[in-house]
Amino acid sequence: NAGVTQTPKFRILKIGQSMTLQCTQDMNHNYMYWYRQDPGMGLKLIYYSVGAGITDKGEVPNGYNVSRSTTEDFPLRLELAAPSQTSVYFCASSLAEAKAGNTIYFGEGSWLTVV
Amino acid sequence: GQQVMQIPQYQHVQEGEDFTTYCNSSTTLSNIQWYKQRPGGHPVFLIQLVKSGEVKKQKRLTFQFGEAKKNSSLHITATQTTDVGTYFCAGLRGGGADGLTFGKGTHLIIQP
Repeated sequence: NAGVTQTPKFRILKIGQSMTLQCTQDMNHNYMYWYRQDPGMGLKLIYYSVGAGITDKGEVPNGYNVSRSTTEDFPLRLELAAPSQTSVYFCASSLAEAKAGNTIYFGEGSWLTVV
Repeated sequence: GQQVMQIPQYQHVQEGEDFTTYCNSSTTLSNIQWYKQRPGGHPVFLIQLVKSGEVKKQKRLTFQFGEAKKNSSLHITATQTTDVGTYFCAGLRGGGADGLTFGKGTHLIIQP
């Protein structure tokens, strides 16, 4: 199993451009998440999904959109990129709720710079 | 909203010294998870604590969950250079569908 795979690993965007961060998992996990991590900081939840066709906002959803058309894929779309969106983005998944036994598996991260 | 505070933010130790990071929540947690992130890497799950007062050990790492389920600690005995990284605690309120609330992490720097 590859686990959680994110692309691209690095990207530089100009202010106002749009892009999509791709995320796929091959563990048949129902729950998927997008977090962002600013330098030296913890992770903040952007959006999450509890299953195909269902998405919901996390702590910092503004400026982002997601979709979950399949169990495997959970792309994150940035519209009108802003410097404040410069961050490292982590996609993650878990089999079910993050309760006992259901740990969260993270992708390797996508480093995004908006200039 | 729920806040999870971690201290210290940075900790420098000599190799072989012990290390402890503390995690405190503003609300009662249903469980708490600990993750380690190596420099330039992604968070990797270490352990989950569920029961009040629970203590778990993984080799040189000891994890504790407070009696009130509002605080937790991670203690590393005799640190090694491979322990370098950032240690995050992450708390889960009841329900769990909205992911975890992460602390800002403790950056462990080890001097040989």
